[in-house]
Amino acid sequence: KAGVTQTPRYLIKTRGQQVTLSCSPISGHRSVSWYQQTPGQGLQFLFEYFSETQRNKGNFPGRFSGRQFSNSRSEMNVSTLELGDSALYLCASSRQTGGQTDTQYFGPGTRLTVL
Amino acid sequence: AQSVTQLDSHVSVSEGTPVLLRCNYSSSYSPSLFWYVQHPNKGLQLLLKYTSAATLVKGINGFEAEFKKSETSFHLTKPSAHMSDAAEYFCVVSALQGGKLIFGQGTELSVKP
Repeated sequence: KAGVTQTPRYLIKTRGQQVTLSCSPISGHRSVSWYQQTPGQGLQFLFEYFSETQRNKGNFPGRFSGRQFSNSRSEMNVSTLELGDSALYLCASSRQTGGQTDTQYFGPGTRLTVL
Repeated sequence: AQSVTQLDSHVSVSEGTPVLLRCNYSSSYSPSLFWYVQHPNKGLQLLLKYTSAATLVKGINGFEAEFKKSETSFHLTKPSAHMSDAAEYFCVVSALQGGKLIFGQGTELSVKP
């Protein structure tokens, strides 16, 4: 079974631009969660989508948004990029049977550099 | 609110010696706890998971962890370190609402030959 895939793997953007990252979950998984990883703040939860609906959201500004398609693939968008948005963005998928015990499986991440 | 604290930011061991990575958690309910490993420039790989069944949880690559409610701890151990174990390890608690994981700050494990 194929794992979680993320594209692109690397991105370089300049301040003020916007960027879209893509995540394809494991087949049969309906939930996709996104995380930001930086050396200073560690791993922080951005948001989670299930059946095309955002169910949970972390404490990030509105410049960070996402969506999920009917095939469970998800995209996240960051508008008006700032230098501090440079990070590794990880997506994870799970079956989400409804509880806290579901295991999340992570993709390799997208490394975003903002110049 | 839930949180995890990894007590060591860096641990260094010699190959063949035991590994102990310490994690304390805080949760107002019976938690689900995980350990993930991240090798350089890679995503996160699940090592093991605790979900209120057996308190001693066995994972991949010889790792195991013991859930101790009285001490609110979930320490990760391995009897004998291998060079390939060098990586960053994250202790994680699942939020009550599904889909959100809360990560510790990570412990970098170095293995000396």
